[in-house]
Amino acid sequence: GENVEQHPSTLSVQEGDSAVIKCTYSDSASNYFPWYKQELGKGPQLIIDIRSNVGEKKDQRIAVTLNKTAKHFSLHITETQPEDSAVYFCAASIGSNYQLIWGAGTKLIIKP
Amino acid sequence: DAGVTQSPTHLIKTRGQQVTLRCSPKSGHDTVSWYQQALGQGPQFIFQYYEEEERQRGNFPDRFSGHQFPNYSSELNVNALLLGDSALYLCASSLTARQETQYFGPGTRLLVL
Repeated sequence: GENVEQHPSTLSVQEGDSAVIKCTYSDSASNYFPWYKQELGKGPQLIIDIRSNVGEKKDQRIAVTLNKTAKHFSLHITETQPEDSAVYFCAASIGSNYQLIWGAGTKLIIKP
Repeated sequence: DAGVTQSPTHLIKTRGQQVTLRCSPKSGHDTVSWYQQALGQGPQFIFQYYEEEERQRGNFPDRFSGHQFPNYSSELNVNALLLGDSALYLCASSLTARQETQYFGPGTRLLVL
């Protein structure tokens, strides 16, 4: 069945450095790719998303890139801050009603 | 503008019991999806409700059922609870069934003993 692989499972970076999280999807028909941030005890919060007709999208310190040919997409966070510490999930849509298939998550740790 | 709300926040049940979880979508949204998130894993899609009908369903047994009310709020029911049903249950709403962006509530933490 369809799946999304996410790497790394844990990422530790120095405050101020950049962080990159990568995902690969299996369904070539997927056309919507959101990224969510989940803090302890809370529900996932949408931080950025990209559609298949766009190769890159940026919102302040956060950017997402999509390579449809290789079926992978990445989250880039620049100038990391302590409040960026959380678990980040990628997801890919399947089906006509945008059912989401999720990666296993990346725990991002920002070291002071 | 109220976001997605869920109740209760926490719940403890024993095996074999039944549970009902509730969700109110974000203002203006008419589509609700339910997800199960086991500890340390990504959410898994259970089903989606739109116009008071189940529109899509993930790989979950019939013990999981739902309902959507005319005001777009929704319930998730789980019968004959198993230990493995212990998880965070998340509700997400979207503007319509064909709108990609989903907004999540804080979840209901269910513990089955």
